[in-house]
Parts: sequence; C-alpha cells; structure tokens
Amino acid sequence: KAGVTQTPRYLIKTRGQQVTLSCSPISGHRSVSWYQQTPGQGLQFLFEYFSETQRNKGNFPGRFSGRQFSNSRSEMNVSTLELGDSALYLCASSLAGSYTDTQYFGPGTRLTVL
Amino acid sequence: AQSVAQPEDQVNVAEGNPLTVKCTYSVSGNPYLFWYVQYPNRGLQFLLKYITGDNLVKGSYGFEAEFNKSQTSFHLKKPSALVSDSALYFCAVRDSADKLIFGTGTRLQVFP
Repeated sequence: KAGVTQTPRYLIKTRGQQVTLSCSPISGHRSVSWYQQTPGQGLQFLFEYFSETQRNKGNFPGRFSGRQFSNSRSEMNVSTLELGDSALYLCASSLAGSYTDTQYFGPGTRLTVL
Repeated sequence: AQSVAQPEDQVNVAEGNPLTVKCTYSVSGNPYLFWYVQYPNRGLQFLLKYITGDNLVKGSYGFEAEFNKSQTSFHLKKPSALVSDSALYFCAVRDSADKLIFGTGTRLQVFP
C-alpha cells in the first residue's frame, strides 16, 4: 500500500502571498490531520478532517484553513504568509481518526517564507 | 489537559548497548500513547502504541516500550542500539479531541 504523499515537498514564498499544500492519504483512510513543526514550537496540531468535514481545530489564526475532498485527499491553505509560518507541514492519515487508530505521516512540505 | 514530557533533549549511547528514551504523560481517563521516530528531512514514522493490555509493547525495528501506570511513564527501549537508530524520537498522547499531543522530542545519538 502506498503511504501518505504530500506535494510539493519544498516551497519558497514571500510575505503576503498565499500557499496551498496537498495531501493524499493512505488508500482507505478517511481521516486526515495536519501538523506544523518548527524548532521553537515543536509539533502543533492544525486541524483534522473526516468525511469532508473539519472535526477538530488547533489554536491557529484564521489564515490557516483546509478542506477535504470526497476521495479523502486534503489541502491546507495559508493566506497572507508571515515569516513565522516557515515550517515543516506534516499531514497524517488514519482509518477513522478514533482514539485507537494510528496516524501515519507523510514526508512533509517544507515551507520557507522570505 | 493531556500532555507528555520528554525530559531529555538528547540521549547518547554506544552501539550495542541498551537504550532508553523517557516519556511521562498526564491524562484524564485512559491513556493512548504513541512513539514516533523522525529522520532528517523526513516525516514521522510510527514505532508502536499502547492502547490497553500488556504493559510491554513491541514495535518496529526492535523497539519496545513499557507502560507504567503508577509512574505515568511510557519509556522507549531497545536491547542493542544501532548507529542507524540515531534520529529524533517523539512520544505522543491522544487527547479527548482525538488529536495527537507531542512531546518536545529526544535526539538519540548512537556512537560506533
């Protein structure tokens, strides 16, 4: 089975621009979660989607948004980029997002904001 | 609120020696605990999890973890370390909203 894939792997943007990241979950997985990883803040939860609905949201400003499509693929969007948005963005998928499910992570998208 | 703590930023061990990476947790209710490993410029790879049952959990690449309810710990162990085990290790707990709460990570350095 193919793992979680994320595109693009690397991205360079300038302040004020917007960016869209894509995540394809493992086949059959319906839950997709997004995390931001930075040296200062570590791994922080952004949001989780299940069956095209946002089920959970972390403490990030409204500039961070996402969506999930009927095939479970997910995108996250960051508008009006700030320097502090530079990070590794990780996507994880699981079967149904329940307590006992394992989340499997993609390789991440490294976003650099100049 | 659920949380995990990894008290050591770095653990150094010689190849062939046993290794332990520490994790303590704080949860209300039953703990659902996970270990992940991250190699440079890569995502997180799942190692093992504790949901219920046997306190000794066996995982990938020869790793195991011991769940200790009285000490609220979930330490990662391996009997014989390899240089290729050098990486960043994260402990995580599932919170009431089903998201993973991660520790700050422990860098494991295995010396030949």
